[in-house]
Amino acid sequence: QQPVQSPQAVILREGEDAVINCSSSKALYSVHWYRQKHGEAPVFLMILLKGGEQKGHEKISASFNEKKQQSSLYLTASQLSYSGTYFCGTESGGYQKVTFGTGTKLQVIP
Amino acid sequence: DVKVTQSSRYLVKRTGEKVFLECVQDMDHENMFWYRQDPGLGLRLIYFSYDVKMKEKGDIPEGYSVSREKKERFSLILESASTNQTSMYLCASSPLTSQEFFGPGTRLTVL
Repeated sequence: QQPVQSPQAVILREGEDAVINCSSSKALYSVHWYRQKHGEAPVFLMILLKGGEQKGHEKISASFNEKKQQSSLYLTASQLSYSGTYFCGTESGGYQKVTFGTGTKLQVIP
Repeated sequence: DVKVTQSSRYLVKRTGEKVFLECVQDMDHENMFWYRQDPGLGLRLIYFSYDVKMKEKGDIPEGYSVSREKKERFSLILESASTNQTSMYLCASSPLTSQEFFGPGTRLTVL
């Protein structure tokens, strides 16, 4: 079953902050975050492992609440280059079978 | 740099044809994956493989099969293409327990 992402879409002005949420009905081993720009392949942002700490990538960071089976992606002081569709992927079992959400389309405008 | 290549960027086939989508990775990764991407549905896993000749069904395997005879190559086969298999197909590879590297995708249209 796919994890649920919210919001489905968001428009930001440059410099604004955003939060994208990812929720699963299953116990999670890890959560993966990817960004896909229009016409391109998804690109890895970060992995959060069970028992691991909050991770960061420049002005993008994420948290993982194992008990609630949720993860959140934080985009701080957004830039035009942040525009794209963000996918969370959740892993519940072995062999790294990742199930992706339906995506959050983020648009940053000047 | 890790490179994942797919045999075609665009492909047009007719209903009932047998279709092969090829994926090659150059980084000796153990895991390889096939996804399809449709508007509003995100990335859905069709099949994955964690070793040569090994395969596991993903979430939507119906109508598809796969082959992995060599570690670097993972093929997706549509035995008898149907119009509802018109989609963007993405291949990915990864080392164990790590990020996935995606290929550029193949946009398949079945007429």
